[in-house]
Amino acid sequence: KNEVEQSPQNLTAQEGEFITINCSYSVGISALHWLQQHPGGGIVSLFMLSSGKKKHGRLIATINIQEKHSSLHITASHPRDSAVYICAVRGIQGAQKLVFGQGTRLTINP
Amino acid sequence: SAVISQKPSRDICQRGTSLTIQCQVDSQVTMMFWYRQQPGQSLTLIATANQGSEATYESGFVIDKFPISRPNLTFSTLTVSNMSPEDSSIYLCSVSPLISYNEQFFGPGTRLTVL
Repeated sequence: KNEVEQSPQNLTAQEGEFITINCSYSVGISALHWLQQHPGGGIVSLFMLSSGKKKHGRLIATINIQEKHSSLHITASHPRDSAVYICAVRGIQGAQKLVFGQGTRLTINP
Repeated sequence: SAVISQKPSRDICQRGTSLTIQCQVDSQVTMMFWYRQQPGQSLTLIATANQGSEATYESGFVIDKFPISRPNLTFSTLTVSNMSPEDSSIYLCSVSPLISYNEQFFGPGTRLTVL
């Protein structure tokens, strides 16, 4: 079993829909990251969370430390949101190494 | 945040040759990381590069195949040596800032195709 599991693996939606991507992890963490990777390959860091909730524009990220679960929400989705979204956690021990989920491929159709 | 640039952005290389990828950061950073992302896969850490010391390689990666330099706090190179088609991947440089080691930023990646 992977330490970081994302669901769904693939998601296709219509423009304007509310999107939720889930991330579950099995280890104690010091931080959880949500990353966005566009087809060109470059990665953008969206959020770093250790508790609670963060919001940036149409993106919202939440984390429940007790349940070892995080969600990334996109409101009013747009075709430009189409990308791979990756959850990554940084463990308490060996603090510098990120462990990555497999990613969720999101496609927003106009 | 840290702004990271990588050169080249992409390359097509012949089997048996070597390619050096450069990573430049706009601010001083403690930790620099090199990742590989094979087609359809998630990121795999190759090594961690600290300035002034030898890079620390992850299991399955060796210095002879992936030599790394870290001459100062803003620059690093990764060389992919004696390439084979299995080395075709995206190679990403990533950094953690001096003041916030929990944060991590990623470069635009180098897309390598080996024929």
